[in-house]
Amino acid sequence: DSGVTQTPKHLITATGQRVTLRCSPRSGDLSVYWYQQSLDQGLQFLIQYYNGEERAKGNILERFSAQQFPDLHSELNLSSLELGDSALYFCASDGGPTDTQYFGPGTRLTVL
Amino acid sequence: SQQGEEDPQALSIQEGENATMNCSYKTSINNLQWYRQNSGRGLVHLILIRSNEREKHSGRLRVTLDTSKKSSSLLITASRAADTASYFCATDARRAGSYQLTFGKGTKLSVIP
Repeated sequence: DSGVTQTPKHLITATGQRVTLRCSPRSGDLSVYWYQQSLDQGLQFLIQYYNGEERAKGNILERFSAQQFPDLHSELNLSSLELGDSALYFCASDGGPTDTQYFGPGTRLTVL
Repeated sequence: SQQGEEDPQALSIQEGENATMNCSYKTSINNLQWYRQNSGRGLVHLILIRSNEREKHSGRLRVTLDTSKKSSSLLITASRAADTASYFCATDARRAGSYQLTFGKGTKLSVIP
């Protein structure tokens, strides 16, 4: 158990819909990272938040957004969903620069 | 884009044998981490090696890092069926204060009992 929690574990929805994925980092970790794992693109970094503020953006679509709340949990919002958005979405947290990133169990999103 | 590239893509060995996976990357790094993923499940952190380190051990795992060749290897000794999984290397290179990881495509290891 990494200490990072994600909900829900599975999500099945239809094209055009909007979903919200939730992540709680390990106790004390200020950074939350979101990653997408798909068959064709592999594991890709989406976005990072540090203590409530956006720190870095990777290959995140404009239809996707995220935020980190004062209690440090984070949410990833995916809208206007397409079939190609079906993937595993992971969040990770770390304790600081060059520290180990610990991953949550992931949310498997299926868009039908 | 993928920073780390693992080699081989797939590896099949008998239980008890050693397994070696390699990772190459393109740009300078702060550290390199290896993760294991069982069949589409969560990523489990195995080991982190810093750019100023050359070798690191953790149980049956041995990781080496050659920054001059921009490559790393993961050796699993005395493999077990439970080691069957995909193994990923991930590099972090500080960009604008962020340490996001860039992953390779992974090596799929099968350990046959």
